[in-house]
Amino acid sequence: AQKITQTQPGMFVQEKEAVTLDCTYDTSDQSYGLFWYKQPSSGEMIFLIYQGSYDEQNATEGRYSLNFQKARKSANLVISASQLGDSAMYFCAMREGTSGYSTLTFGKGTMLLVSP
Amino acid sequence: GAVVSQHPSWVICKSGTSVKIECRSLDFQATTMFWYRQFPKQSLMLMATSNEGSKATYEQGVEKDKFLINHASLTLSTLTVTSAHPEDSSFYICSAPGESGRSYGAYNEQFFGPGTRLTVL
Repeated sequence: AQKITQTQPGMFVQEKEAVTLDCTYDTSDQSYGLFWYKQPSSGEMIFLIYQGSYDEQNATEGRYSLNFQKARKSANLVISASQLGDSAMYFCAMREGTSGYSTLTFGKGTMLLVSP
Repeated sequence: GAVVSQHPSWVICKSGTSVKIECRSLDFQATTMFWYRQFPKQSLMLMATSNEGSKATYEQGVEKDKFLINHASLTLSTLTVTSAHPEDSSFYICSAPGESGRSYGAYNEQFFGPGTRLTVL
């Protein structure tokens, strides 16, 4: 079974609107972390936001927020006030366990296109 | 935040040649580095975990004799694609866990290199 599932291969949004990118995960660990990365066409992986399994509040970083629903095992990324520069590939990833050196497992990604 | 560099950023080579890709942590020490491969329009797949001073740990299905990893120092890991073939053409990205200014509790943030695009003709 896939550990990280991103069901939206592509999403379109108009500039200045909000968009939600879906991510569900599967783990039996109690301690884990969820990450969102942005990958523009240049290929670099840009960290956006992190949510720990024990964090009670949803993470926020500027225009990015993470809608964490632990019981549903979902960690959706919300981008408010989309900008043209937000057009990129977005990956959800999970790190299982308590080790800071555990590997990341990535979802298949969602391509976001922001139109004027 | 911490910086990871990769060299070269892109390389084109003939089939049958070997290509070396370097991954460096510029302002921190990395006893562990990770190597990922990404085919076009696909996700990042972990190839191996590189450990300073010891053998790398390869993921299932990754040929260790084809993808040689050497982690010779606390700031440098190299991936050598031996006898490269067109099917090895891909985007190779390394990452290293390190301290960041963000508070993540037990979790170190992973810092990614900019990637190396390999094209084998």
